[in-house]
Parts: sequence; C-alpha cells; structure tokens
Amino acid sequence: NAGVTQTPKFQVLKTGQSMTLQCAQDMNHEYMSWYRQDPGMGLRLIHYSVGAGITDQGEVPNGYNVSRSTTEDFPLRLLSAAPSQTSVYFCASSPGDRVRTGELFFGEGSRLTVL
Amino acid sequence: EDQVTQSPEALRLQEGESSSLNCSYTVSGLRGLFWYRQDPGKGPEFLFTLYSAGEEKEKERLKATLTKKESFLHITAPKPEDSATYLCAVRLMNRGSNYKLTFGKGTLLTVNP
Repeated sequence: NAGVTQTPKFQVLKTGQSMTLQCAQDMNHEYMSWYRQDPGMGLRLIHYSVGAGITDQGEVPNGYNVSRSTTEDFPLRLLSAAPSQTSVYFCASSPGDRVRTGELFFGEGSRLTVL
Repeated sequence: EDQVTQSPEALRLQEGESSSLNCSYTVSGLRGLFWYRQDPGKGPEFLFTLYSAGEEKEKERLKATLTKKESFLHITAPKPEDSATYLCAVRLMNRGSNYKLTFGKGTLLTVNP
C-alpha cells in the first residue's frame, strides 16, 4: 500500500529558484492538503483541496501555488523560493466523509532548504 | 488569539512508568480535538478524535480524555516503542472553513528501557 507519496524527500534551492513538491495518493481521497513544520512551531496549513478543480488557502499561503487537476495529485509550487520557506513540508489526505474527524493520512515529508 | 499549548515540551520516562501529556486550548467553538503521533523523520499518524467534555478514547496503552479547556493523553506502562512526538490539534467553529486545524508544538516523549 503506497498511501501518500511525496517527492523529493530532500531538496536544496537557491533564493529565487522555483520548484514543485509532488504529492500523490492512491486511496481515492477527496481531501488533500499541504502543511509546513518548522522548529518550535506547530504544523501550519498552506493550501488544501476538497476535490479535483477545487483549492483554497490555509493559514500561510503566501509564496505557494497549488492546483488539483486529478484526484490523485496535489503539487505545491514555489515560484521564487525564499530562505523563510526552509521547512519540512507534509502532504496529507483524507476521505471526504472523514476529514472533519481529523483522520488525516500524512506523507513522510519533503525537507526543503533555501540558501 | 486562538492557541493550543502542549506541555511538557519533552518528557522522559522509564519503561513502565505511567504519565500524562497535556493539551490546553484557549479557543471558543471547539469542533473537535485530535491527537497524532509523529516518529522522527516521518509524517504524523492519526490517533484519536474527541468532540465533547467527558469523552474518552483508548488505544493500547494510550487513553485520551477531554475537558472544557484541555485534553490529556494518558500513557499507561509505556514501552520504548511509545517514544515519539505527540501532537494535539483543534478544529474550530468560526475559522472560515471546516478543514483548518490548529496544531500545538508537540510533546517529545522518550521511554527508556
């Protein structure tokens, strides 16, 4: 069972570079989301999607773009990376009828360093 | 400002030494409180959902309880494999979306053999 797969696991960027963090799930979950986790802070929601073609902003959306063209994939794009975006990024998904229960399935994370 | 505070930040126990982790929240309109476990280098793993004061949930050596202002995660006779960071999160009634969770910073639990 693959579950939620994130790529790459590690990435180093220079300030101003762009990149896309990939997230794919094989559980047919309607809800997908991106969080960032920084030392000394709780997980913070960046963007989320409740289905293909539907996305919305979370708590810290600035500097990030998302799209949801398929149920399976939810990529996170950094258009011009900044050192403040150095973090560990987690993708999470959930069945539509269970997202309100907090039952999220997380990927293993992507560690991004911006120099 | 809505806040979720977990204490202690870190806790060391001997195998078999029971204890509790705390998650307190200064929010109104709680629509659910959730516990997760996170192993080093991994994503969080969902444990429990609590909705109302007095509610309890159990899983193996873990029991989560909820009052009007806080939740406790009780760990009975812990084993080294219970070592992890435990995260608490809340979902609020008036945050513009049913899908936004507010997380605490977590408690790092270490259980020594």
